[in-house]
Amino acid sequence: GAVVSQHPSWVICKSGTSVKIECRSLDFQATTMFWYRQFPKQSLMLMATSNEGSKATYEQGVEKDKFLINHASLTLSTLTVTSAHPEDSSFYICSAPRGGSLHTEAFFGQGTRLTVV
Amino acid sequence: KQEVTQIPAALSVPEGENLVLNCSFTDSAIYNLQWFRQDPGKGLTSLLLIQSSQREQTSGRLNASLDKSSGRSTLYIAASQPGDSATYLCAAYTGTASKLTFGTGTRLQVTL
Repeated sequence: GAVVSQHPSWVICKSGTSVKIECRSLDFQATTMFWYRQFPKQSLMLMATSNEGSKATYEQGVEKDKFLINHASLTLSTLTVTSAHPEDSSFYICSAPRGGSLHTEAFFGQGTRLTVV
Repeated sequence: KQEVTQIPAALSVPEGENLVLNCSFTDSAIYNLQWFRQDPGKGLTSLLLIQSSQREQTSGRLNASLDKSSGRSTLYIAASQPGDSATYLCAAYTGTASKLTFGTGTRLQVTL
């Protein structure tokens, strides 16, 4: 299957600082990537759709100024959690469909465990 | 709004048993349904993708079926092994919403 790499796999940061998470498609180009958040023992909640060369589309209730998304190339999307607070602590996962649309198979990164102290 | 439910929430079986995981969705206008495996603290591994025009897909010991009209999909695991222990998630892609909607998952434990 296709490979989507996410980095870092875990990060601990202090309240008020910003954290950047990278998502790369290693063996295919991804015009669209998706960012999810997962709370313990819960399912994945879509946060936003990252579009190469244009603005991200955020789901209702997700603060776009807090969760900055940049999709500067066909293989890289970044999620920056700005001014992080303990309630932002969670598991963040990115996804990219090989064909650019969810009509095709979706592949996921390894996830990033963010802990804000 | 699409809602995806998985039953049971948790399941424990002895090694060697065949088992079935269930996934139901409320909006039958899906383009596809995908089954994933998630190990603790890890990302998702794609297991099987069933397009809306298909009724089932097979990969090794795994077989997934899809019945759009009844809003159901099942994942059949044959001859379960301890290495199959993980959380299994199904996700439906609904075109009108242009996104994957995930179920709550089934936590599977296969014991020796």
